Amino acid sequence: KAGVTQTPRYLIKTRGQQVTLSCSPISGHRSVSWYQQTPGQGLQFLFEYFSETQRNKGNFPGRFSGRQFSNSRSEMNVSTLELGDSALYLCASSARDRQTDTQYFGPGTRLTVL
Amino acid sequence: DAKTTQPPSMDCAEGRAANLPCNHSTISGNEYVYWYRQIHSQGPQYIIHGLKNNETNEMASLIITEDRKSSTLILPHATLRDTAVYYCIVRVASGYQKVTFGIGTKLQVIP
Repeated sequence: KAGVTQTPRYLIKTRGQQVTLSCSPISGHRSVSWYQQTPGQGLQFLFEYFSETQRNKGNFPGRFSGRQFSNSRSEMNVSTLELGDSALYLCASSARDRQTDTQYFGPGTRLTVL
Repeated sequence: DAKTTQPPSMDCAEGRAANLPCNHSTISGNEYVYWYRQIHSQGPQYIIHGLKNNETNEMASLIITEDRKSSTLILPHATLRDTAVYYCIVRVASGYQKVTFGIGTKLQVIP
């Protein structure tokens, strides 16, 4: 099976702009989670989508939003970008159809805000 | 906040076993221990997970203490390609849970 894919891989934006990142999960996986990684902060959970519904949300401002489509592909959007939003954004997919639910990560999108 | 604590860094000689500890003293009965690694800002790679029994796969072994308050990831014959940041997390098998990875352990394999 193909792994989790994320597009674009690199992105440069300026403050105040908005950005949309895309994630295609492993075929058959219905859950997509998004994480933000900045130096020294580890991976911070943003939100999880399952069956087109947001199931859980981390402690991020409302500028961070997401959605999931019927084919399980997901997008996350960040509006009114700030310098501190510069980070590696990772998405992970899981099947959520058995007792243990392993997440598999994509390569990430490196966002730089100038 | 992360529910696990790990040493920030460790060194291991190439060819020797790397033993990476993780403390998870507040783990719940329905939480699994997962290990991932991240090589130079790539996406984290799944390694292994377990509930209470020791587990082994082609990548590593996972030893979980009887009280489940700590675990050890063992890479039996470390290679230079195993140099990475290793993350230990606890996660429920079902339900929706906010998971925080923490800063992990930076393992440096030395030639």
